[in-house]
Amino acid sequence: AQTVTQSQPEMSVQEAETVTLSCTYDTSENNYYLFWYKQPPSRQMILVIRQEAYKQQNATENRFSVNFQKAAKSFSLKISDSQLGDTAMYFCAFSPTYNTDKLIFGTGTRLQVFP
Amino acid sequence: SAVISQKPSRDICQRGTSLTIQCQVDSQVTMMFWYRQQPGQSLTLIATANQGSEATYESGFVIDKFPISRPNLTFSTLTVSNLSPEDSSIYLCSVEGSLDRPREQYFGPGTRLTVT
Repeated sequence: AQTVTQSQPEMSVQEAETVTLSCTYDTSENNYYLFWYKQPPSRQMILVIRQEAYKQQNATENRFSVNFQKAAKSFSLKISDSQLGDTAMYFCAFSPTYNTDKLIFGTGTRLQVFP
Repeated sequence: SAVISQKPSRDICQRGTSLTIQCQVDSQVTMMFWYRQQPGQSLTLIATANQGSEATYESGFVIDKFPISRPNLTFSTLTVSNLSPEDSSIYLCSVEGSLDRPREQYFGPGTRLTVT
């Protein structure tokens, strides 16, 4: 079975600092997609960043970047220059390329950014 | 990205009744998804809804409990039937993004259901 594991239920970081959220996944497939979603307290889920497994280059979106280690099945999210608005639940998600369009979500990491 | 709205945003329902949740998208999409998010938990896929065909349900979810309609390419409904307190959750719909951004999903704001 394909699973996504987020081992950090809660994290905290001071404003302007950098924080890294961990995610590991289990799959036997070679091609797939990985995502990080953010869910602020207002609950609207927002896509933060995506990574295609066939791309070796790590994805970057402004202050957000990933460290994708395919062999280790690891997909961590680094938030640089943390802002108060980054306070949210962060979900790692996996989608296989074949046979299904669904997303498999991890259990989430609650990130609190302190002033 | 698509703009998705859901109605109602929240509701309180009595045990044994049903609630129908609407999901409207501002553009035509092939696939729509319905998720359940129990309090403090992650998202669990209930079913995938394609226009013109029966919804595909995930293990643990059945059509009698969660009937879904998908009458056109911009609209879907999820009904949660015979409500019990265990159905208290946030229900979210999502749609898949454009062809050049495969597997990306965009989410509606959710419907918070409380069953008393």
